[in-house]
Amino acid sequence: NAGVTQTPKFRILKIGQSMTLQCTQDMNHNYMYWYRQDPGMGLKLIYYSVGAGITDKGEVPNGYNVSRSTTEDFPLRLELAAPSQTSVYFCASRIPGQNTEAFFGQGTRLTVV
Amino acid sequence: DQQVKQNSPSLSVQEGRISILNCDYTNSMFDYFLWYKKYPAEGPTFLISISSIKDKNEDGRFTVFLNKSAKHLSLHIVPSQPGDSAVYFCAADGGATNKLIFGTGTLLAVQP
Repeated sequence: NAGVTQTPKFRILKIGQSMTLQCTQDMNHNYMYWYRQDPGMGLKLIYYSVGAGITDKGEVPNGYNVSRSTTEDFPLRLELAAPSQTSVYFCASRIPGQNTEAFFGQGTRLTVV
Repeated sequence: DQQVKQNSPSLSVQEGRISILNCDYTNSMFDYFLWYKKYPAEGPTFLISISSIKDKNEDGRFTVFLNKSAKHLSLHIVPSQPGDSAVYFCAADGGATNKLIFGTGTLLAVQP
């Protein structure tokens, strides 16, 4: 049982390049989330999903896209990387219903130069 | 608009003393609150939670208090240990929205 797995762990992108951050979970959790952590800014919700085929915007969705074709996977797409997207990205999953905690992956550190 | 706020970016306490971390929220629809602990280069890990129908929840050295009228919660760690040194995030569940909103975090340093 690996939990929530994120790949890659580190990545350097040039401005304007695109990439996909991968997130997969093996706990059969319906809810999945993407966050970014900037210094002193806490964790900001980018997008979330309550099940396959259903996604919704969080607090800071601009510049990102997501898809959810399976319960296990929730990739985050950056189409035109900008320096403002330099951050640490965390994926999390959670079972549906009230009063449940989310489980986090180890994070992807992205630098855009 | 920061819906969950942790106004103290850092806190330093002596080993064995009590650590009190505070969190305020603005949205009265939040009905479930969580605390997470984060070490450098790792993902956040769940610590303790509280439902809005309670005002206190305790788990070993960790106790969370909720004051709904003040829209305030706090995490008490007693006694504090050097291994507790980490960033602590509070989070709030928006209920019907299924969102999980986090605060800005407090860096706790427990001095031996």
